[in-house]
Amino acid sequence: AAGVIQSPRHLIKEKRETATLKCYPIPRHDTVYWYQQGPGQDPQFLISFYEKMQSDKGSIPDRFSAQQFSDYHSELNMSSLELGDSALYFCASSPGLGYTFGSGTRLTVV
Amino acid sequence: DAKTTQPPSMDCAEGRAANLPCNHSTISGNEYVYWYRQIHSQGPQYIIHGLKNNETNEMASLIITEDRKSSTLILPHATLRDTAVYYCIVEGHYTGTASKLTFGTGTRLQVTL
Repeated sequence: AAGVIQSPRHLIKEKRETATLKCYPIPRHDTVYWYQQGPGQDPQFLISFYEKMQSDKGSIPDRFSAQQFSDYHSELNMSSLELGDSALYFCASSPGLGYTFGSGTRLTVV
Repeated sequence: DAKTTQPPSMDCAEGRAANLPCNHSTISGNEYVYWYRQIHSQGPQYIIHGLKNNETNEMASLIITEDRKSSTLILPHATLRDTAVYYCIVEGHYTGTASKLTFGTGTRLQVTL
């Protein structure tokens, strides 16, 4: 069965650069969530989209933005990267009940 | 804020049942109990969820108390591959919105030989 696809799997950026993370949800899932997990920490909710509209917002820095496109895939854009942005970024999708997570993107800022 | 309380760590011998408790005393009537686990640096993996009845699937059983204020995840025959952080999450579902999962600190289960 198709799962949640995230790309890239790994990304290395320098401070002050920009990064774009992509998430392709399971077909017919209308909701996408983004999470950030720092080293040794638990996943923290960033933002979610339902039917291509922003649904909820967590502890997402103003330097980050995201959107969900007409094909339901989502992109997380991160600008002016800081060392503290180094983390695993997970995307999850849901059809309304139940959540499936992707394998994540490991972002390293140097 | 997470709405659940779990012990930070537990050990279990391989082949034995692992019973992971979770307290969710402020759970409301329309909120489900979800269990996920995360094996080192992988994406959280769905295990099971329930509303008020006990549930069982190929991975685990979920026992929810009658007052719904606590639950127990049971892995009937733990293996080394079950070593992971287990998260108990309470979340509601509302038509037309996207309810997020809020992760607490979870229980780090170590399965040993």
